[in-house]
Amino acid sequence: AAGVIQSPRHLIKEKRETATLKCYPIPRHDTVYWYQQGPGQDPQFLISFYEKMQSDKGSIPDRFSAQQFSDYHSELNMSSLELGDSALYFCASSTTRRGGETQYFGPGTRLLVL
Amino acid sequence: LAKTTQPISMDSYEGQEVNITCSHNNIATNDYITWYQQFPSQGPRFIIQGYKTKVTNEVASLFIPADRKSSTLSLPRVSLSDTAVYYCLVGALGGGGNKLTFGTGTQLKVEL
Repeated sequence: AAGVIQSPRHLIKEKRETATLKCYPIPRHDTVYWYQQGPGQDPQFLISFYEKMQSDKGSIPDRFSAQQFSDYHSELNMSSLELGDSALYFCASSTTRRGGETQYFGPGTRLLVL
Repeated sequence: LAKTTQPISMDSYEGQEVNITCSHNNIATNDYITWYQQFPSQGPRFIIQGYKTKVTNEVASLFIPADRKSSTLSLPRVSLSDTAVYYCLVGALGGGGNKLTFGTGTQLKVEL
């Protein structure tokens, strides 16, 4: 079965640079979530989109922005990168169905800021 | 969102049944209980989800008592490959925009 696709899988950037992470949800999924997982930490929710509209916002820095496009893929834009932004970034997708909602995670993008 | 509490770590041996209990005392009426498994540097993998009583799938069972203030993930006959972090999450689902709040998961270590 098709899974969530994230690109790139690995990214190395310098401080103050920008980065764009992409997420392609499972076909027919209308909701995308972004999570950040620092080294040795648990995943933390950043932002989510439902039907191309922002639906919730978590601990996302103002330097980060995201959007969901007409084909439901999403991009997380990160500017003025800091060393502390080094982390795994996961995208998850879901669709509302009778009886609940299950989020399926992608393999993640490992971002290293030098 | 309901806060969850689960053991930080558990040890087991291959072939044994492992039960991980999660407490969620302030679970709301429309909250579901979901368990994820995560291997190092990989995305969390959905294991099982339930609302009440018992749910079983091909990899695990989820037991939820009537008061729903706790839940137990049961992994039958674990193997070395089940060594991972297991997260219990509670939240209202449906309608889009339902973030998952990860607490400190349970590091399960399976040995020979």
